[in-house]
Amino acid sequence: AQKITQTQPGMFVQEKEAVTLDCTYDTSDQSYGLFWYKQPSSGEMIFLIYQGSYDEQNATEGRYSLNFQKARKSANLVISASQLGDSAMYFCAMREGMDSSYKLIFGSGTRLLVRP
Amino acid sequence: DAGITQSPRHKVTETGTPVTLRCHQTENHRYMYWYRQDPGHGLRLIHYSYGVKDTDKGEVSDGYSVSRSKTEDFLLTLESATSSQTSVYFCAISSDRGLSGSNQPQHFGDGTRLSIL
Repeated sequence: AQKITQTQPGMFVQEKEAVTLDCTYDTSDQSYGLFWYKQPSSGEMIFLIYQGSYDEQNATEGRYSLNFQKARKSANLVISASQLGDSAMYFCAMREGMDSSYKLIFGSGTRLLVRP
Repeated sequence: DAGITQSPRHKVTETGTPVTLRCHQTENHRYMYWYRQDPGHGLRLIHYSYGVKDTDKGEVSDGYSVSRSKTEDFLLTLESATSSQTSVYFCAISSDRGLSGSNQPQHFGDGTRLSIL
């Protein structure tokens, strides 16, 4: 079974609007971490935001926020006021807390295209 | 930006030849990882290292070996390359510092595009 599921292969959003990228996860651990990465067309992987399973507040980093719903096992990325430079692939990833190797499990990604 | 250098950045080689990819870091991080990225699969872990000479297999380790003789260098070797190993390879590093270490993100190199004909 997939541990990280990103159900939206591709999405469009109008410039300056907000967009939500979905991510659901599967783990039996109580302690885990969720990460979002951005991969622009140039290919590099850029860390965006982190949410810990025990964090009471939803994580925010500038225009990025994470809508963390623990009971539903979802960790959706919200990008506010989309910009043309937000066009990229976005990957959700999980680190399971009991694994001390700090390995990440990645979803298959969502390609976001921001329209002018 | 995290000091991670992957070399080479691009390589084309023939089936059956050995290939070694190098990852060099200047951050003195304990953990290093090799991933491959293929369309529709996201990133999949090949091997990782949790210290000098300490390595372990990931999800897709068949056909690959690794070595880490120094903290700063992590080598990925394809002993006899096959066309199915054509991919983009990423190296990543991670610190175990912080409250528990679990909140430390992995930082990635710029990738190596490997084509095996």
